[in-house]
Amino acid sequence: GAGVSQSPSNKVTEKGKDVELRCDPISGHTALYWYRQSLGQGLEFLIYFQGNSAPDKSGLPSDRFSAERTGGSVSTLTIQRTQQEDSAVYLCASSLQADTQYFGPGTRLTVL
Amino acid sequence: QKEVEQDPGPLSVPEGAIVSLNCTYSNSAFQYFMWYRQYSRKGPELLMYTYSSGNKEDGRFTAQVDKSSKYISLFIRDSQPSDSATYLCVLRSRSQGNLIFGKGTKLSVKP
Repeated sequence: GAGVSQSPSNKVTEKGKDVELRCDPISGHTALYWYRQSLGQGLEFLIYFQGNSAPDKSGLPSDRFSAERTGGSVSTLTIQRTQQEDSAVYLCASSLQADTQYFGPGTRLTVL
Repeated sequence: QKEVEQDPGPLSVPEGAIVSLNCTYSNSAFQYFMWYRQYSRKGPELLMYTYSSGNKEDGRFTAQVDKSSKYISLFIRDSQPSDSATYLCVLRSRSQGNLIFGKGTKLSVKP
């Protein structure tokens, strides 16, 4: 069956521009997570959506970062006024149970 | 002190070797322990999951948890070149929905 998909797979942008990253979770998965993976830094939790509950935004590094999940399915992570330190791979995961998360292939963001 | 410490490697072994990967953690609230495997340019995938101290075996893989020492291990027997990947130890507390990832150990198994 279809797994988690993310688009675009690669994004190159200029410093100061806004970017939107999209995640299509596995159908029926109630939980959706965004992570950031920087070189040598491991996975950094950003935000977590569970059903209709208010999202857990505790991992967002600044107010330039925001995310939405529309209709309990597709999610968009938006980074405003991108900075070079935002360059990383942004991974999305979905799950029915918290411990078994299914990851997408990620979006590789490069901020010039 | 970081919540979870994992040696990033890289670790290079010959085919057929036994591999030992380890993590230590500081928060006794962690109750669920996982190992995820990540191939290059792919997302991580769940490899092993356990919630109790002791050993859990699945084929060539054994996950070991020692809660008293706050130490977790993954052993790979008869390692294969296809095992070459980054292995991430992952923890979760009972009260949290999000996972805490180690930095990952990059493993290379040479034919």
